[in-house]
Amino acid sequence: QKEVEQDPGPLSVPEGAIVSLNCTYSNSAFQYFMWYRQYSRKGPELLMYTYSSGNKEDGRFTAQVDKSSKYISLFIRDSQPSDSATYLCAILSGGFKTIFGAGTRLFVKA
Amino acid sequence: EPEVTQTPSHQVTQMGQEVILRCVPISNHLYFYWYRQILGQKVEFLVSFYNNEISEKSEIFDDQFSVERPDGSNFTLKIRSTKLEDSAMYFCATTPTGGLSSYNEQFFGPGTRLTVL
Repeated sequence: QKEVEQDPGPLSVPEGAIVSLNCTYSNSAFQYFMWYRQYSRKGPELLMYTYSSGNKEDGRFTAQVDKSSKYISLFIRDSQPSDSATYLCAILSGGFKTIFGAGTRLFVKA
Repeated sequence: EPEVTQTPSHQVTQMGQEVILRCVPISNHLYFYWYRQILGQKVEFLVSFYNNEISEKSEIFDDQFSVERPDGSNFTLKIRSTKLEDSAMYFCATTPTGGLSSYNEQFFGPGTRLTVL
């Protein structure tokens, strides 16, 4: 079983839609969960991180972790064309190693 | 805003040649990482480095790879004898500190695209 699984998409939505991006993970010991955004030919950029279970909100973005089902989500409200990118879920394994999901390509159409 | 820089942006090399990829971390950061991303695939951890030592490495990071901090600013990844399958985007990342006591954001550089012919 892969440590982090993420549907690669692509996901295409109209401007203003609510976007839901999801990942599952295998190891219940993981505690730090992150969402990165990556534009084409650029490095990943951290959007949000969450420790353990619960929700975290930052502007139009909400990260959610459900440790009981090993499920992590990112919601984007009022999506904009500038949100078009690849979104990577990631987990901190130990102190030093980040494990990334495959990334979901998102297209927001104007 | 401080940022991680990487050089070169694109490196083309012949199979079997040695390459050195360079990273300049953010100045007060102490932990350094290399990741790679083969085209169309996920970002993969290669190695972490702290206090002039490797902290952790993945199974990808075999004897062909090495890292060092030759001076106070650069952090390098060397691939001794490149193979076709080493063609990928290589990202350097840095954090101020490490460990599990709190989350430390990894700041990624823009990457070096390595093409092995």
